[in-house]
Amino acid sequence: EPEVTQTPSHQVTQMGQEVILRCVPISNHLYFYWYRQILGQKVEFLVSFYNNEISEKSEIFDDQFSVERPDGSNFTLKIRSTKLEDSAMYFCASSEFGTGLSPLHFGNGTRLTVT
Amino acid sequence: TQLLEQSPQFLSIQEGENLTVYCNSSSVFSSLQWYRQEPGEGPVLLVTVVTGGEVKKLKRLTFQFGDARKDSSLHITAAQPGDTGLYLCAGAWGGANNLFFGTGTRLTVIP
Repeated sequence: EPEVTQTPSHQVTQMGQEVILRCVPISNHLYFYWYRQILGQKVEFLVSFYNNEISEKSEIFDDQFSVERPDGSNFTLKIRSTKLEDSAMYFCASSEFGTGLSPLHFGNGTRLTVT
Repeated sequence: TQLLEQSPQFLSIQEGENLTVYCNSSSVFSSLQWYRQEPGEGPVLLVTVVTGGEVKKLKRLTFQFGDARKDSSLHITAAQPGDTGLYLCAGAWGGANNLFFGTGTRLTVIP
């Protein structure tokens, strides 16, 4: 069964550094998402992406965050200047028809640790 | 941000017992999904409900969508240790392309 893959599985970075989290969504999916989960807390929506542009974003997704689909297979999340509170699991997801119409398929996440 | 409250937050039961988990919101969902998440992994879809009053069964799991589409429940009969995990409801509203997750219920089934 096709799956969403995320790299790296664990990223450690110093405060103020830029990080890029990478995702390869399922190949025939058109909708892409980033979520984060701070340890022990709920899964929080960050951003959704369709047709090469952001379709929705939350208040968490400020100007320090950006997303890109640089080619036909990758979907990336960039944090320009990391803060301690950015430490979390970041999950990428993709779906075929968008939320509510088809399930979100999640990757296994990247654990980001900001020191 | 839409708020979905789940209860209970934590649940620890003996193998063989039944349990119900609730998901509530003040908003009307266009659809609601239930996911299960295991440690170190992303959430995995269990079911999607769309119609008010809808009931879906998945082996020992029964999912119900409230008539007003503001709430949902997950009932597990004869729980097994393999049911242990974090259960998450997630709601979609209108035409928005996002899915908001509930606060989660962490279930532990003791052998």
